[in-house]
Amino acid sequence: AQSVAQPEDQVNVAEGNPLTVKCTYSVSGNPYLFWYVQYPNRGLQFLLKYITGDNLVKGSYGFEAEFNKSQTSFHLKKPSALVSDSALYFCAVRDMGGSARQLTFGSGTQLTVLP
Amino acid sequence: GAGVSQSPRYKVAKRGQDVALRCDPISGHVSLFWYQQALGQGPEFLTYFQNEAQLDKSGLPSDRFFAERPEGSVSTLKIQRTQQEDSAVYLCASSSGQGGSYGYTFGSGTRLTVV
Repeated sequence: AQSVAQPEDQVNVAEGNPLTVKCTYSVSGNPYLFWYVQYPNRGLQFLLKYITGDNLVKGSYGFEAEFNKSQTSFHLKKPSALVSDSALYFCAVRDMGGSARQLTFGSGTQLTVLP
Repeated sequence: GAGVSQSPRYKVAKRGQDVALRCDPISGHVSLFWYQQALGQGPEFLTYFQNEAQLDKSGLPSDRFFAERPEGSVSTLKIQRTQQEDSAVYLCASSSGQGGSYGYTFGSGTRLTVV
């Protein structure tokens, strides 16, 4: 089975400060890991993914995430937050060796960047 | 097309009515996924197609839910005798491979409200 936990329902950060949105995962084998962002009344927009290789992944809009196998984590980070980053963020996983082809999502973290 | 297209964008149905939701995946994408997203929650997997074959329908919540992709491109999710608990956003995603490293592109979703 594959699962994802996002321990924070809400993260607030001041504009210009660094932000972190936490994600931990559980799979039987090795993971494919994804971050998506969702704005109100919109679908899911892809930010970045980890497949293999370098543990630090850089994605869209200045976001990055670090894969940590020992801690089974894939936290999303940005050095300097913008008000326009305020949105709902989802972490998702798929087990590389599993039979499932779909992503399993976390419950989401609402990020609010305060001006 | 350039992205995954879903229609209608919004649907209001009276309890007991049948509805059909359409997904146009990216041209050439072999894999297609349907998800259900309740308000404030992460997307939950419903079903997966590889070309015209429905390989996984383990997430369909009841026998009132039915999906098809007869020609391996456009897919329709049908809900019979809608209930209030069916109110949600229904998301479609497609992938050029079997998901995983190929990534997943999501549509903007159909918001279903059952009254």
